[in-house]
Amino acid sequence: DAGVTQSPTHLIKTRGQQVTLRCSPKSGHDTVSWYQQALGQGPQFIFQYYEEEERQRGNFPDRFSGHQFPNYSSELNVNALLLGDSALYLCASISYGRANYGYTFGSGTRLTVV
Amino acid sequence: AQTVTQSQPEMSVQEAETVTLSCTYDTSESDYYLFWYKQPPSRQMILVIRQEAYKQQNATENRFSVNFQKAAKSFSLKISDSQLGDAAMYFCAWPLNYGQNFVFGPGTRLSVLP
Repeated sequence: DAGVTQSPTHLIKTRGQQVTLRCSPKSGHDTVSWYQQALGQGPQFIFQYYEEEERQRGNFPDRFSGHQFPNYSSELNVNALLLGDSALYLCASISYGRANYGYTFGSGTRLTVV
Repeated sequence: AQTVTQSQPEMSVQEAETVTLSCTYDTSESDYYLFWYKQPPSRQMILVIRQEAYKQQNATENRFSVNFQKAAKSFSLKISDSQLGDAAMYFCAWPLNYGQNFVFGPGTRLSVLP
């Protein structure tokens, strides 16, 4: 049973560029959340997608946008990159079953903006 | 504000000994879950243990157990018989809005000394 897969694993971009990160949720999961984790800090919630709609959003600017496809996979897009966007971006899919409620995380995409 | 606090940025433990990591949270909700996640250098967040707030019994998973004090809003993680592979960042997390948004603490870096 495949877990959450993210691509690419590492990425280097220049300030002002745009980037797209991809995520496939765990089999059977239909909800995807994205988190930004700066070095040495806990993950910060960006947004969550369910049924191809953004359902909840954290305190991130509109430069951060996303999409969910009919197969539940998701993309995170960041426009006009800033140095401060350098971070580990984590994707998670969620199980709402009472017995196994919780997130399954991918290994993340390390984005470096130079 | 609904927050999660981990007051120990770093901790160390001797192999085979026991260590306790602290977490406090702030919520007005009555029915919720609490989680401990582990993040080794490989970056992937791994679920360690989950506690349902309505259950009085503390959760246990092999060498990992929690001390859940609902009135005090405290949720500590005890690791018994520590192993070298336990070395990682540990994050306490709590889901807001029925899991649409997980709030993570700042993390505790655990070192295991041989």
